[in-house]
Amino acid sequence: LAKTTQPISMDSYEGQEVNITCSHNNIATNDYITWYQQFPSQGPRFIIQGYKTKVTNEVASLFIPADRKSSTLSLPRVSLSDTAVYYCLVESNAGNMLTFGGGTRLMVKP
Amino acid sequence: GAVVSQHPSRVICKSGTSVKIECRSLDFQATTMFWYRQFPKQSLMLMATSNEGSKATYEQGVEKDKFLINHASLTLSTLTVTSAHPEDSSFYICSASRQGSRAQYFGPGTRLLVL
Repeated sequence: LAKTTQPISMDSYEGQEVNITCSHNNIATNDYITWYQQFPSQGPRFIIQGYKTKVTNEVASLFIPADRKSSTLSLPRVSLSDTAVYYCLVESNAGNMLTFGGGTRLMVKP
Repeated sequence: GAVVSQHPSRVICKSGTSVKIECRSLDFQATTMFWYRQFPKQSLMLMATSNEGSKATYEQGVEKDKFLINHASLTLSTLTVTSAHPEDSSFYICSASRQGSRAQYFGPGTRLLVL
């Protein structure tokens, strides 16, 4: 299973763009990269998933360079409600188990 | 779509009793469900992988006789904490994946407090 490394914490202000980078140096050819968000006392919530280049949905963008050894989650114009822990995971196969790293604790300030 | 529920959301029990936690996929069929445990300020730790109709696969260090998992149907998996002790107090979270999708969908979690 590919191990992931993320910053432990990040601070931002409302309205700013936040970029959280994750490294996964031993990602395998068939692995996908997935990001989850977790609020206190809640289960993680799926944010976005990608394999290469760029993926965008209504809440975030995911940038993956050609070597796929890292990925960056981009949250445009964060608000106070985006304060949460963000986990980057590498999924080996459909439905396979996930290994959670430490996550990044994002604090959005007014 | 892809909603996963857990019941109960929180439970308080006496030491030595058993507690059952249910995980349901409400609008999809889940051939595989996963059970995690999360202690305060820590990440999720996978406990076991549950496959419908077969025995669960437990992670190293997780006692299968203490944490009984049953996956009787494509929409329901249960975790029973037997003879619970205070050190079993934690946040238990299940997740499920649907066929053809790489994403996992998590339940809201169950907070267990053993007195």
